[in-house]
Amino acid sequence: EVQLVESGGGLVQPGGSLRLSCAASGFIFSSYWMSWVRQAPGKGLEWVANINQDGSEKDYVDSVKGRFTISRDNAKNSLCLQMNSLRAEDTAVYYCARLKYSSSPTVAYFDYWGQGTLVTVSS
Amino acid sequence: DIQMTQSPSSLSASVGDRVTITCRASQSISSYLNWYQQKPGTAPKLLIYAASSLQSGVPSRFSGSGSGTDFTLTISSLQPEDFATYYCQQSYSALTFGGGTKVEIE
Repeated sequence: EVQLVESGGGLVQPGGSLRLSCAASGFIFSSYWMSWVRQAPGKGLEWVANINQDGSEKDYVDSVKGRFTISRDNAKNSLCLQMNSLRAEDTAVYYCARLKYSSSPTVAYFDYWGQGTLVTVSS
Repeated sequence: DIQMTQSPSSLSASVGDRVTITCRASQSISSYLNWYQQKPGTAPKLLIYAASSLQSGVPSRFSGSGSGTDFTLTISSLQPEDFATYYCQQSYSALTFGGGTKVEIE
């Protein structure tokens, strides 16, 4: 059974830093792209970042570029999101999600999600 | 950036109703479109990928159609467990979600 378990959320002051982690199990972690998706309270979903299987390709939504860094440790089946220079608008539940690609066409979709971890940026 | 617009933003329906939700892309995205269901306090769940492919384990009352800029998610006979918020998501260029459609009990 695929499981994704996030941790590391909490209350942080504006300008502060936080590191989120996601522990993966039940599948060959090193074979999949992985992502972070967030949801502000009462709002919709927003993709945040992607990382490819060996960590050599990373992509971010414009609003977090230069502040957030996605990384992975395939030996430990773990995904991380280092968040620096946090702003009030970064307040959200952050989900770790597995990104899968269908064949012909190669549509990317999130097929498994963790339960989420809440990040609150406030003074 | 590709913008995804869902309509309606909310709807009220009864058990047994046929429900249709629309998602429109700001430019053509071929069939690079997925649908998710989210219930309060839980993570989203994949329903449909590549516009019309049903994810394993999802009931057949859910179906998706469309290509280019216009897409629909149809629930053929609404069940009590289907009251939730539904999101579309494109993967043609980067990854963006629609604003969501909340399906409520009438």
